[in-house]
This record gives sequence, structure tokens and C-alpha cells, in this order.
Amino acid sequence: EAQVTQNPRYLITVTGKKLTVTCSQNMNHEYMSWYRQDPGLGLRQIYYSMNVEVTDKGDVPEGYKVSRKEKRNFPLILESPSPNQTSLYFCASSRRTDHTIANYGYTFGSGTRLTVV
Amino acid sequence: AQRVTQPEKLLSVFKGAPVELKCNYSYSGSPELFWYVQYSRQRLQLLLRHISRESIKGFTADLNKGETSFHLKKPFAQEEDSAMYYCALTPSGGYQKVTFGTGTKLQVIP
Repeated sequence: EAQVTQNPRYLITVTGKKLTVTCSQNMNHEYMSWYRQDPGLGLRQIYYSMNVEVTDKGDVPEGYKVSRKEKRNFPLILESPSPNQTSLYFCASSRRTDHTIANYGYTFGSGTRLTVV
Repeated sequence: AQRVTQPEKLLSVFKGAPVELKCNYSYSGSPELFWYVQYSRQRLQLLLRHISRESIKGFTADLNKGETSFHLKKPFAQEEDSAMYYCALTPSGGYQKVTFGTGTKLQVIP
């Protein structure tokens, strides 16, 4: 089954303790992205990756890191989590297109609910 | 800069009534617009893309470049349509930035 898999689904951690949220897709998609979803703010893009070893900042990258060493994986790293990073996080992937082909839209993961105390 | 505005946080309609979820955007270039739906406790799913001009679950959306809008419509609401709906924009053929609106919660009253 084609899917985007995030782990863990739920995580409670303490301020300052480094954590990694994993994201893996089995569709050979070039493009992957991380979003956080907060009430009243919708989805805000944290980082995205156009392909292996190519990453760039989204709208709210502060406090986060990413890496793209393999096509299928795009982990989100919080080096020193703080309470304002408590949120619902979504990973998404898509086929990459050029200007001649329409965007296919995202496939989303199930989400990771992170609480930082 | 690109922006997507969904002016209604909550839209309540009776079953069988028409639905229109509003989406306005600002982008200087040629955009591609999408609607995503998130049912309770589920992941976001792509509902439809403007480029394909398709109808999914009875929903349609027309890109109006003059009014910079991409409203989502359905002639007769069903209870199972209750969900969060997000409008999203990306530059045509590009992924540099995908911007979502803040979402509208559709509540269909039986």
C-alpha cells in the first residue's frame, strides 16, 4: 500500500531533550515536506526537500532540523525542544514535476502529536 | 509572497443544503490550487485539484483568476461531509512553497 509513515504517533518529552520524528514513504516520491498544525493557524510549512541532499526552509523553520540522506526518509529533528513546539506534525510527500506537468498534490502521514513539558 | 485566506472558521449547514467553502488567494504568478479534507482523527487527504477539473464526492471548485478565488461547492450536503477543509496553493509546476489556508470546519446538521 502506498503510504507515508510517521513515528511515533504520540510523544511527550521534556524541554531540552533532543528528539527525532521519523517519516518514510514507499512511493519513490522526490518531494517531501514537514508541517505543523496548530488551532487557528492551519498548516505551516517547516522544511521541505526537493530530492536527496536538497532541503530548504519553509515558513517556520526555527528550532527544527531535517536531513534527506535517502529518498524515502525525511526525519524531523528537534535538538532542544521547547513548549512552543507542542503541536501536531505532519509529513507529506509528492511526485516532483516540472513546469510542464501539473502538481499531483500531497500524500500525508497520519501525524505525530508532540507535547513538550 | 503567496497567501491563502479561508475567511470562515466554521460553516454550519443543514443536510441537503448547498455548501460553499470560500478560498481566496494572492500570488503574483500562475498558481495551482488544491482542496484537502481532514476527517476527524484522520490524516489530510487530497480532495481535488483545479488543474484536473474533477468532481470528487460531489464537490467541485472553479479557479476564478479575476477574483483570485477557488471556492469549494457541493449542491447537497451530506452528514459524512463534516470535516476540516483546507485550501492550498503552490506555484505552477513548482514545490518551493506550498501554502495552506487556516481551514474551515464544515458541520452538517442532520
